[in-house]
Amino acid sequence: QQQVKQSPQSLIVQKGGIPIINCAYENTAFDYFPWYQQFPGKGPALLIAIRPDVSEKKEGRFTISFNKSAKQFSLHIMDSQPGDSATYFCAAKKEGSGGYQKVTFGTGTKLQVIP
Amino acid sequence: ETGVTQSPTHLIKTRGQQVTLRCSSQSGHNTVSWYQQALGQGPQFIFQYYREEENGRGNFPPRFSGLQFPNYSSELNVNALELDDSALYLCASTLDGGYNSPLHFGNGTRLTVT
Repeated sequence: QQQVKQSPQSLIVQKGGIPIINCAYENTAFDYFPWYQQFPGKGPALLIAIRPDVSEKKEGRFTISFNKSAKQFSLHIMDSQPGDSATYFCAAKKEGSGGYQKVTFGTGTKLQVIP
Repeated sequence: ETGVTQSPTHLIKTRGQQVTLRCSSQSGHNTVSWYQQALGQGPQFIFQYYREEENGRGNFPPRFSGLQFPNYSSELNVNALELDDSALYLCASTLDGGYNSPLHFGNGTRLTVT
């Protein structure tokens, strides 16, 4: 059961373009939505995260837009650079008791930024 | 501050064998979780350990087991390996596993089962 659906699977943009990656979730109990960036041969690294009571969050060139009623959220990368070429994962977390946290990941979007 | 380190980086095993993967948590972190990442897929939650006790488990069979030690380092053990167990195994640590504690991942162990 895929609880977080992510699209597109891959994306190619020119340098300076604005790639957009979309995600949708099913479980309304999710209360934290992080995005992770993964380079080849490396583990995922937290990029930016949002709570469901906020509709937008910006950190540098990265922006998350969140639509709670539609159960959708997206990542925008402004002024994309070749160094942004990586795989991006959206994710969702439901806080549990005793410090338990299970993060559910999307299937990933492989982004290539062409110089 | 040292990050999350995993060993070995690569491993080749035969179907039916057993494997142990190791993880050293980021300094000060007391919660560790393990994820399986198949090729071209997102990480899938295996289980989490908090203060040496398993306190959460994903949809993985009992042949996947783990340990967390007093120094918060951790092991993932997989028995009776199957071909589908071939994947990147990621360890992640957090402080207390709380709401604002992001996962800090290691670079993983690439397991190939032949």
